[in-house]
Amino acid sequence: DAKTTQPNSMESNEEEPVHLPCNHSTISGTDYIHWYRQLPSQGPEYVIHGLTSNVNNRMASLAIAEDRKSSTLILHRATLRDAAVYYCILRNTGGFKTIFGAGTRLFVKA
Amino acid sequence: GAGVSQSPRYKVTKRGQDVALRCDPISGHVSLYWYRQALGQGPEFLTYFNYEAQQDKSGLPNDRFSAERPEGSISTLTIQRTEQRDSAMYRCASSLEGLAGTDTQYFGPGTRLTVL
Repeated sequence: DAKTTQPNSMESNEEEPVHLPCNHSTISGTDYIHWYRQLPSQGPEYVIHGLTSNVNNRMASLAIAEDRKSSTLILHRATLRDAAVYYCILRNTGGFKTIFGAGTRLFVKA
Repeated sequence: GAGVSQSPRYKVTKRGQDVALRCDPISGHVSLYWYRQALGQGPEFLTYFNYEAQQDKSGLPNDRFSAERPEGSISTLTIQRTEQRDSAMYRCASSLEGLAGTDTQYFGPGTRLTVL
């Protein structure tokens, strides 16, 4: 299974943008890049996913490098409620096994 | 609408006992996943169902763990002869369609299992 590498933790100030990086140098052409986040004491929740092009939704934006070996989740204005563990996951169209990894713990300062 | 529900929310059992954990997916969701999550770590994939068919059980740690989804809706994860190392949060997720690679998973609140 293709793996991802994320920083253990990051810190941000409230109302500032946050860029969460993810490296996936062994990504294959049939791997989608997914991001989930897990708020304290809750189950993971879907944030965004993409294949090659950048993606935007109401929660975040996903910027994917041209070679697809890295991606960045962008929270445009961090709030205290965005403090969570963010997981970058590769999901292949050939199966359903989902490998989460340790994720990045985001701290947001008021 | 109702999300994914799991029961019980907390289960304390003695080593050697069998436990059954239940997952009620969102109505109409085709896919169902089971995960195990240790404190401070990300969820660990256990198994996947498409309707009633268990299509991937590669993450089940050993033969004490089994899962079923007989009617393609509710699923049960059973752990036989529990051991202390089985203590963890067990999470269930469902998704509307069985689209490998792109489906969105909706997670339940989990069952916290403690084996004494």
